[in-house]
Formats: sequence, structure tokens, C-alpha cells
Amino acid sequence: GENVEQHPSTLSVQEGDSAVIKCTYSDSASNYFPWYKQELGKGPQLIIDIRSNVGEKKDQRIAVTLNKTAKHFSLHITETQPEDSAVYFCAASNFGNEKLTFGTGTRLTIIP
Amino acid sequence: DAGVIQSPRHEVTEMGQEVTLRCKPISGHNSLFWYRQTMMRGLELLIYFNNNVPIDDSGMPEDRFSAKMPNASFSTLKIQPSEPRDSAVYFCASSSPTGPPYNEQFFGPGTRLTVL
Repeated sequence: GENVEQHPSTLSVQEGDSAVIKCTYSDSASNYFPWYKQELGKGPQLIIDIRSNVGEKKDQRIAVTLNKTAKHFSLHITETQPEDSAVYFCAASNFGNEKLTFGTGTRLTIIP
Repeated sequence: DAGVIQSPRHEVTEMGQEVTLRCKPISGHNSLFWYRQTMMRGLELLIYFNNNVPIDDSGMPEDRFSAKMPNASFSTLKIQPSEPRDSAVYFCASSSPTGPPYNEQFFGPGTRLTVL
């Protein structure tokens, strides 16, 4: 089955700087890659996703890139703000399969 | 919309007791997922249903765990007997077959289970 690795496990950045979280996947059939954000005491929430027919997708300060050849994808957050502090999860699935395989999570802390 | 509703939010029980967690998915969603989250193992999928039918229960740790979905608006996850290693946060999520975004899972607030 699919295996998703995520790095780093913790990340601290100064407010206003950029943060990058990286994930690799094992199953070449995977073609859908969402990112979820989990705030303290809440369930994860989808923030952005990308499909394998696209190399990059952007939504305001958040962007995701995908390298199918290398089987890795990354989340980029620019101009970080205190409200970006949370745990971020990457995931992978085959588009026709509802089952998501999640990475182990990255705890992002924004330092004021 | 109220979102995915889970109850109870917190449960403290003693080893050997039966525990039942409940979930109400978002109306109109036809897929329901049960996850367990721990520091050591992260977010693990236990089981998921599509149109009330269990599709993949390969993540269910052992026979002590069982899940049911008797109708489109209700699901339970039962642990009997409970053990201290079952202590975790259990999330329920639901998704709709329409999109975009496709396959987006909407998570409930979770049930924090502590087994003493």
C-alpha cells in the first residue's frame, strides 16, 4: 500500500518568513495530494490540494508543488503569520479511491 | 450546516469497560471515516464506509474494535474491552461524492479517550 513520509516533524520560523514542508510518497498510482491543517483541539481541515496533472498550485500565501518523477510534493507558506501555527499533514491517494494515506505531521510554530 | 458531530468529546473509562463513540456525518455525505490519532502513530485510518457499507476495515487494530453505520446519519465505533493503549483522540470524517474539491474529508472535533 501507499506510504507517505513527511519532514520536518517540527518547524519554527520567524513571523514574516517562509515555511516549507516536504513529503514523499511510494505508490506511483497516487494522483491526488491534499494538505490538511490541524489547529489545537480541532480536527484537520483541508487547506489546499493538487492533482498529478498539475505541477504547482497557489492560493494566496499558500502554494503546493509536485514532482511526479521524484514522487515528492511540498507545501510552501509565505509571509507567515501567528495564525499559521498548527500541525500540517500531507496525504496521498488514488483519485478514484476515497482512502487517504496521511503523513506523520509537521508542527509549525510562528515566532512573533 | 453543523459539520460533523461527535460525542462524547471526552471519555475517561477504566480498563475492561466498553466504550462507544458516536458520529453524525454532514447531511448528504455518503462516505464516513474513523481515524485514531496518537503521538506515536500519527493519524491512522481505522475503517471507512460508503453508502453505509464498510469498504475497508484493514486499519481496525483487533477484534476488540467494531464499527457500525446503521443509516446515513449515524455511526458508532465500539471498543470492548478497552485497554490503556487505546487511549487516543478518535476522529470521524465524512465526504461527498461531488466536488471540487474531490475527496475532501470534513473532520469532526474528535473524542479524546483515556483508558485508565
